Parts: sequence; structure tokens; C-alpha cells
Amino acid sequence: GQQLNQSPQSMFIQEGEDVSMNCTSSSIFNTWLWYKQDPGEGPVLLIALYKAGELTSNGRLTAQFGITRKDSFLNISASIPSDVGIYFCAGRMDSNYQLIWGAGTKLIIKP
Amino acid sequence: GAGVSQSPRYKVAKRGQDVALRCDPISGHVSLFWYQQALGQGPEFLTYFQNEAQLDKSGLPSDRFFAERPEGSVSTLKIQRTQQEDSAVYLCASSATGRRTEAFFGQGTRLTVV
Repeated sequence: GQQLNQSPQSMFIQEGEDVSMNCTSSSIFNTWLWYKQDPGEGPVLLIALYKAGELTSNGRLTAQFGITRKDSFLNISASIPSDVGIYFCAGRMDSNYQLIWGAGTKLIIKP
Repeated sequence: GAGVSQSPRYKVAKRGQDVALRCDPISGHVSLFWYQQALGQGPEFLTYFQNEAQLDKSGLPSDRFFAERPEGSVSTLKIQRTQQEDSAVYLCASSATGRRTEAFFGQGTRLTVV
């Protein structure tokens, strides 16, 4: 099935570093969502974006809805051990309730 | 409970066996979704219910997959004559009505077909 292009696939960072990941699509979306999934759990919504150009923060997390409506970015500042997990982007067109998902970015924090 | 509940958490089935996966959505949530998540991948849409009506089943991979929500609450995803490629985590999500209302996900059922 269709998936978004999410990169990087994985990241090894030191605690305290900032993290950036992004998603691109060949299709235009009207909603971009960012989720975090821990092992053995379902995805948990972090940030929802509904307007092109929108920049939204949730604590140390900041996400942006690209102007072209074909991409989105997630930044995590000053990473901490509990940030470890897999981050997914997901997009949705207004005409459709289905979410199209990226393959995930696995975040690993080096001790 | 307060969240979406799925059972069983883990299911091992022999190839050819039928399985039934249950989802208890958040009380009062109108919309219910099933997704399939293969190892190392993002979830993929299977089907969508609004109350008891199955409005979209375009993501079901074959006619061996069947979902129902007869009373507009609990939903069951049934897979007949399971095959190895059915091994995945099956996620259920529910949401209230409203244009910017996002879904809450359950913990998933990990199905392994041997």
C-alpha cells in the first residue's frame, strides 16, 4: 500500500542533542500527524497539523506542515532517555478519513 | 477502561486456522478503524466503521478478512484460513465525531501464523 517517505530510518544520538526527522509525499495532504510508538504499544499522537505553513509545539517537540502540503518536519530539542522509540508521520486528505503512514524513524539514545 | 482495549494481546495460529480479534473502543466513539502493521513498517488501513456501518473495507487484503461491529460498539476482525503473510500487529483505533478529532489507538494484537 501507499506509504510516505520518512527519513532517517534510524538515529543514534547523545542525550541532550536535538533531533530532526521529516516526511515527504507525492500527494497533497490536508492533515499531517506525528505519532510515537513504544514497543508493544499502539501509536500515541504527539502533534496534529491542519494548515499549510503551520508550526506547532508540544513541550520539547515542534512540528511543521510544509507550505507545499507534501511534507512535514518534526524536531525534538534536548533529547532525554524517554524519547527513545519509533516516530511515525501520517497524512490524510480531507476527502478521505484514511491515514497514510511513513515507515517510522527509530530513535536510539546513546548512554 | 478509559482507552481502546484489544484482545488477545498475542495470538499464535497454525496455518489454516481461523482467528477472531476483538476491539473495545472508547465509550461513545462513533468511528472505529482497523490497521495492519507489519514488522518494521507503519500501519496500513484495513477498514472503517461509523457506528455499525462499515463504510470502507477497501484495505482488507483478501476475502479471508472480515470485520463487523453489529451494535456500533465492540468490533471483531476475523481472519479465515490464516496464512503466514497474515502475521502482523493488528491495531484498532476509535474517535469521536468532529473534523479535527483524531483517533486513539489500542495496544494491538500481535498475530503470528506458524
